[in-house]
Amino acid sequence: AQKITQTQPGMFVQEKEAVTLDCTYDTSDPSYGLFWYKQPSSGEMIFLIYQGSYDQQNATEGRYSLNFQKARKSANLVISASQLGDSAMYFCAMRLMNRDDKIIFGKGTRLHILP
Amino acid sequence: DADVTQTPRNRITKTGKRIMLECSQTKGHDRMYWYRQDPGLGLRLIYYSFDVKDINKGEISDGYSVSRQAQAKFSLSLESAIPNQTALYFCATRGQENTGELFFGEGSRLTVL
Repeated sequence: AQKITQTQPGMFVQEKEAVTLDCTYDTSDPSYGLFWYKQPSSGEMIFLIYQGSYDQQNATEGRYSLNFQKARKSANLVISASQLGDSAMYFCAMRLMNRDDKIIFGKGTRLHILP
Repeated sequence: DADVTQTPRNRITKTGKRIMLECSQTKGHDRMYWYRQDPGLGLRLIYYSFDVKDINKGEISDGYSVSRQAQAKFSLSLESAIPNQTALYFCATRGQENTGELFFGEGSRLTVL
């Protein structure tokens, strides 16, 4: 069965440090996509970054990068030079590119950036 | 105006009542999804739809039904609400491109007493 696992319920990080949020996934399909979303305390869901299973290079978007290790089935989000505004809930998600075309989410990691 | 609009944004109801949450979108996307968010459980997929005639169950469809009235409208119904359906509900849309991300509505907070 397809599954997304985020093992860190909460993290505390000092401002300006780099942060790695863990995500592992499980699927037998060869074609899939991986996403990260941010949910601030205001509640909206903000798309951060996408990685396709066939992409050769790790995705990057500004301070966000996705450390994609296909053999280990991991898709960790790295935030460089963290800021107070990065405090939020972060969700890893997987899209299955088969007939089902589902998009499933992990349970999330709450990140706290300390001044 | 938001591209994905959910109504109502907040609703308090009683056990046994029928509730409908509505979602409309102006993005022209064919794919629409309903999720519920519970603390510690993340977002769980309830139903999703590729077009008016193609509706699929998600991870937790029991106790819910949906209707895709048009490409732009996707409604979620709780026929007889129960307290453990108290949650934040999100509607989302997606285009057909492979890298297309989900676009979320602002959420509907439902409390069942």
